Parts: sequence; C-alpha cells; structure tokens
Amino acid sequence: ETGVTQTPRHLVMGMTNKKSLKCEQHLGHNAMYWYKQSAKKPLELMFVYNFKEQTENNSVPSRFSPECPNSSHLFLHLHTLQPEDSALYLCASSQSLQFLNYGYTFGSGTRLTVV
Amino acid sequence: DQQVKQNSPSLSVQEGRISILNCDYTNSMFDYFLWYKKYPAEGPTFLISISSIKDKNEDGRFTVFLNKSAKHLSLHIVPSQPGDSAVYFCAAKNNNDMRFGAGTRLTVKP
Repeated sequence: ETGVTQTPRHLVMGMTNKKSLKCEQHLGHNAMYWYKQSAKKPLELMFVYNFKEQTENNSVPSRFSPECPNSSHLFLHLHTLQPEDSALYLCASSQSLQFLNYGYTFGSGTRLTVV
Repeated sequence: DQQVKQNSPSLSVQEGRISILNCDYTNSMFDYFLWYKKYPAEGPTFLISISSIKDKNEDGRFTVFLNKSAKHLSLHIVPSQPGDSAVYFCAAKNNNDMRFGAGTRLTVKP
C-alpha cells in the first residue's frame, strides 16, 4: 500500500469520550504532520515530527495528544474535546523537513464531529 | 495572524479558457511556495512549487508566477478542463513552518 492512509474516515464522539486517529505512510518519509482544517479557514498546523521526534507543537490544547512510535506511524489521541474541535484532521508526510520539492503527501483526513 | 491569504473564495471559468488563482503573503522570510489541489473527500495533493529565487515555474498546463516585491503569487491553468474543478490551496514555507491559505474553489464549466 502506498501513500498516506488515515483511519477512521469519519468519527463522531461525545465530549467525555477518548478516541484516537491513526495515520500510516509507506513512502519512506521521515517527517510527519497533523493539520486541522475548519470550514472556510486555512489549514492549521498542529504538530510536526521529524525522525519520530516532535519538533513543533503549535500551541495546541492538551486535549490533543500526538504519538509517533516510528517514522511510519502517527497517532492523535483525543480526550474531553469540545464541539468547536469538530473539523477535518489531516495527516501529511514529507521526505524531510527541508526537502519539499514535491511538497507534502496528505492523507484523505478524518472528519471529526464532537457532540 | 494569517500570513497567506487567498482573497477569492471561488472562481468560475469556461472550459478551454485560462484560470488564474491568486495568493498574497505577508512574511518576506518565506523561501518556498506551493500549490495544492483538493477534491471532495480527499486530502490535498501537491500540484506545483516555486523557490523564492525564481519568478516562474511551468509544468504542463500549470504555471506558477512569483512576484516577491508585491508578495504575490499566482497559478495559471491553461487550457482549463472540467477535471480541474477543485479547491486550490496556496502554501508558503519558512524553515519548518508551512502556512496555508483558506483555498479557492475553482469550477470549470463545460
């Protein structure tokens, strides 16, 4: 399987639930990213991992907790979310933080609804 | 602090004509610019990029122009095809920080 795969595609969760989003890439990339896309807003960078090490936490609330066990997998653990956290969550990867001739490769996203 | 702006939320063009998508930025430290295309229910896909040391990059029907003095870049698609109908995101990079615009929805009418 090639590209960036995100699961689940859709998720509905209550504000007291705990869930996790999963991202997997088989491109041999070393950098992985979590982005949030809210309606009619720019993509917002949440977290950056380079060689499994977190290099960026863009002032994201602690109710979002990333995990990168290896260069191929990235998780976003969710707990006690708010309705305003409902959005499309996109995972992306790139060969490295610096090599961007081909940009990022994005997954299809997880559409999250918090009720 | 929106450093990358796409001021036109939508654009409609006739098939065969030119589509011009615009993007403005405020941070003069950006050194790399990219365009992504997004279909519904899919993630954005990389389309074309340009380094800040260049003013033009062409790839088939797609050309990106960069005007650093105006902090403006544009994507030209010619000739436009119905399959080009999608949301187009402009992005700009400074070190490890990639900023995106809010997107422009392009509709190419047959």
